[in-house]
Amino acid sequence: DGGITQSPKYLFRKEGQNVTLSCEQNLNHDAMYWYRQDPGQGLRLIYYSQIVNDFQKGDIAEGYSVSREKKESFPLTVTSAQKNPTAFYLCASSTAGTFGSGNTIYFGEGSWLTVV
Amino acid sequence: GDSVTQMEGPVTLSEEAFLTINCTYTATGYPSLFWYVQYPGEGLQLLLKATKADDKGSNKGFEATYRKETTSFHLEKGSVQVSDSAVYFCALSSNDYKLSFGAGTTVTVRA
Repeated sequence: DGGITQSPKYLFRKEGQNVTLSCEQNLNHDAMYWYRQDPGQGLRLIYYSQIVNDFQKGDIAEGYSVSREKKESFPLTVTSAQKNPTAFYLCASSTAGTFGSGNTIYFGEGSWLTVV
Repeated sequence: GDSVTQMEGPVTLSEEAFLTINCTYTATGYPSLFWYVQYPGEGLQLLLKATKADDKGSNKGFEATYRKETTSFHLEKGSVQVSDSAVYFCALSSNDYKLSFGAGTTVTVRA
């Protein structure tokens, strides 16, 4: 089945550690995104990538890093510089082009990250 | 900048009741508007969308009309079911590569 696979579903991180969340898609989408979701808040964009080997910061990129070496993969690293990393992280993808043209974004099932 | 304001929840309804979730927006130009739904423990799914003024998006009994004059995109369903219990997000995009989301409205439908 086509879709977006995020792993792990649940992850615990100790203070000072970096962790990497995996995101793989087999939808042949050019664009991929990482969002953070906190209780009672909408989704906030961390990073996005419109094409392989290129990515841009979103609204809350500090303390995060990404890579886009393959079209189907867009891993997110939560570094120790991220002061409040406990959240639900959502990966998404879409075809190329802007959303103003009605382009649709598809989401994975998310990863829960908890700092212990 | 672009922003979306949704009515605050939570909203609790009985089965077969009428549901409306208000959404208003601020944006430059003519944005596309979306409603997404998130079931417990899952990612978001597109529910419906509208790309220009006066368009009506519809899906699974839900409807929303793009009202440019009131900058609104309210979500409605005439008769809700228990399976409609979820968090609903209004979102917009002003012809760029970003979606701006509202805070989400939690809806619980009781049998």
